Amino acid sequence: QKEVEQNSGPLSVPEGAIASLNCTYSDRVSQSFFWYRQYSGKSPELIMSIYSNGDKEDGRFTAQLNKASQYVSLLIRDSQPSDSATYLCAVNPAKTSYDKVIFGPGTSLSVIP
Amino acid sequence: DADVTQTPRNRITKTGKRIMLECSQTKGHDRMYWYRQDPGLGLRLIYYSFDVKDINKGEISDGYSVSRQAQAKFSLSLESAIPNQTALYFCATRDTRNTEAFFGQGTRLTVV
Repeated sequence: QKEVEQNSGPLSVPEGAIASLNCTYSDRVSQSFFWYRQYSGKSPELIMSIYSNGDKEDGRFTAQLNKASQYVSLLIRDSQPSDSATYLCAVNPAKTSYDKVIFGPGTSLSVIP
Repeated sequence: DADVTQTPRNRITKTGKRIMLECSQTKGHDRMYWYRQDPGLGLRLIYYSFDVKDINKGEISDGYSVSRQAQAKFSLSLESAIPNQTALYFCATRDTRNTEAFFGQGTRLTVV
């Protein structure tokens, strides 16, 4: 089992809809979770970080964490064409002595005007 | 200027050649990382470093070596490049545990 898994997509949603991106992880005691957005050929940039169970909202973005289910998701409300990108889920496993950051393969999102 | 700078941005090299990718940062972070990115595989960790005396292998370190010359500098070397090392390489830094990583602009390496 891979440490961090995501549906590769592509996920297509119409403009104005809600995009839902999902991520599962294998290390049950992972401590911190991140969502990055990456445009083609560019470096990843942080969208959200979440550390506790529940929801965290920032503008049009909501991250949801369920540690019991080892699941983290990102919701994008009122999706815009500029949201079209690859979204990377990243996890900081707690079992390691030094804090590696493990990334999932990414989900490609396309917002259709 | 970018906080995390990678050089070169693009490089084409021949099989068997030695090549070094350089990363420097002005963020004052202790933790530095090298990742490679291939289509459909996300970012895979090659090496990471906590400080100049601390170097650790990631999940795909074979064929690579690193040097942490100073807190601000972390270089990745391919001793004898091979075509399947063609990829986009990213350097990243991090302040403390559990915080976000900051990425350089990336180096696109092609081995022919």
